[in-house]
Amino acid sequence: EAQVTQNPRYLITVTGKKLTVTCSQNMNHEYMSWYRQDPGLGLRQIYYSMNVEVTDKGDVPEGYKVSRKEKRNFPLILESPSPNQTSLYFCASSFQGLGYGYTFGSGTRLTVV
Amino acid sequence: QKEVEQDPGPLSVPEGAIVSLNCTYSNSAFQYFMWYRQYSRKGPELLMYTYSSGNKEDGRFTAQVDKSSKYISLFIRDSQPSDSATYLCAMSKGESGANSKLTFGKGITLSVRP
Repeated sequence: EAQVTQNPRYLITVTGKKLTVTCSQNMNHEYMSWYRQDPGLGLRQIYYSMNVEVTDKGDVPEGYKVSRKEKRNFPLILESPSPNQTSLYFCASSFQGLGYGYTFGSGTRLTVV
Repeated sequence: QKEVEQDPGPLSVPEGAIVSLNCTYSNSAFQYFMWYRQYSRKGPELLMYTYSSGNKEDGRFTAQVDKSSKYISLFIRDSQPSDSATYLCAMSKGESGANSKLTFGKGITLSVRP
């Protein structure tokens, strides 16, 4: 089954404790992206990657890092999480960045206390 | 002014009603327009996709784009309880590459009462 898999689905952590949210896709998509979804603010792009070793900032990159060492994986790293990063995070992928071809993961609900 | 504005809702309708969901936008560079549907505890999934102005129909769903007014709509005919979800409009300036970045509306939650 073609899918984007995120782990974990739920995470509660403390301020300052580094964490990684993994994202993997099995569709051989070049383009991958991370979004956060907050009430009243909608979906906002954090980082995106056009291909292996090619990443760029989205609209809200502060406090986040990403890497794209393999085509299928695009982890999101929070080096020192803060409470304002409490949010619902989605990973998405598509073929050549086609907007109408985005496949989203099921989301990771992160709470930073 | 935000690039994409969407009616905040929530919206509750009886089963069988016609539903109209709308978004306005300010950037005339947007060329590709989409509607995503998001069920509770799931990621968004593409529902409809339209290029430039015009209408597109798919079963009970019709997407409409009016670029002159910078206005897009999604109509749902004969709404069903299974249509209860959050609907997000999205748009991009290009079909691929960096220009394909999606800008989303905030989403509207629709509830269809049996």
